[in-house]
Amino acid sequence: DVKVTQSSRYLVKRTGEKVFLECVQDMDHENMFWYRQDPGLGLRLIYFSYDVKMKEKGDIPEGYSVSREKKERFSLILESASTNQTSMYLCASSLVPGGRDTEAFFGQGTRLTVV
Amino acid sequence: DQQVKQNSPSLSVQEGRISILNCDYTNSMFDYFLWYKKYPAEGPTFLISISSIKDKNEDGRFTVFLNKSAKHLSLHIVPSQPGDSAVYFCAAFSNNFNKFYFGSGTKLNVKP
Repeated sequence: DVKVTQSSRYLVKRTGEKVFLECVQDMDHENMFWYRQDPGLGLRLIYFSYDVKMKEKGDIPEGYSVSREKKERFSLILESASTNQTSMYLCASSLVPGGRDTEAFFGQGTRLTVV
Repeated sequence: DQQVKQNSPSLSVQEGRISILNCDYTNSMFDYFLWYKKYPAEGPTFLISISSIKDKNEDGRFTVFLNKSAKHLSLHIVPSQPGDSAVYFCAAFSNNFNKFYFGSGTKLNVKP
């Protein structure tokens, strides 16, 4: 079974803090993604990475950065947390595109509250 | 602009009946379509998928239909069970852009 693990289920941070969300996958997947889920907006892509040290902006990258130093780990960084970044954050991984295995496997999510 | 849309935020169905969840997309170049199910406080889990070259895929109680000319897909659940109550996300995958595009979700409530 593919396992995608996010380091925290719940986090509470103060405005202006630097926040690190960690994600690890154990299936040697090339692609990794960070989404946020907000009511009525579905899953919006923040950043994704298709290889170590490679990153691509998603639809809402502002206020975020990412790091992928190892294939299995993809970190999301909130440089200076703000209250509008309160959300559910979801990490996902997948194999390279094509074929029957093109599905994304998700972690359990991190509920981040910025106060 | 959202490339994958789920226009019904919620759906309520009686146990044993059919649930039909709908999804529309704008990009005719999508290669693959998927449905995910999500319970509160958990990550989405993959349910079923369909390649853009097919028009139907079935897996047990779940069937996905793809109408490429209408840029529309739907998920049928028959018979619906209370355990199916969850938020369902439609997604599309593009080989060109190597990423998934998600709809806003439909919350399904199956009443006993």
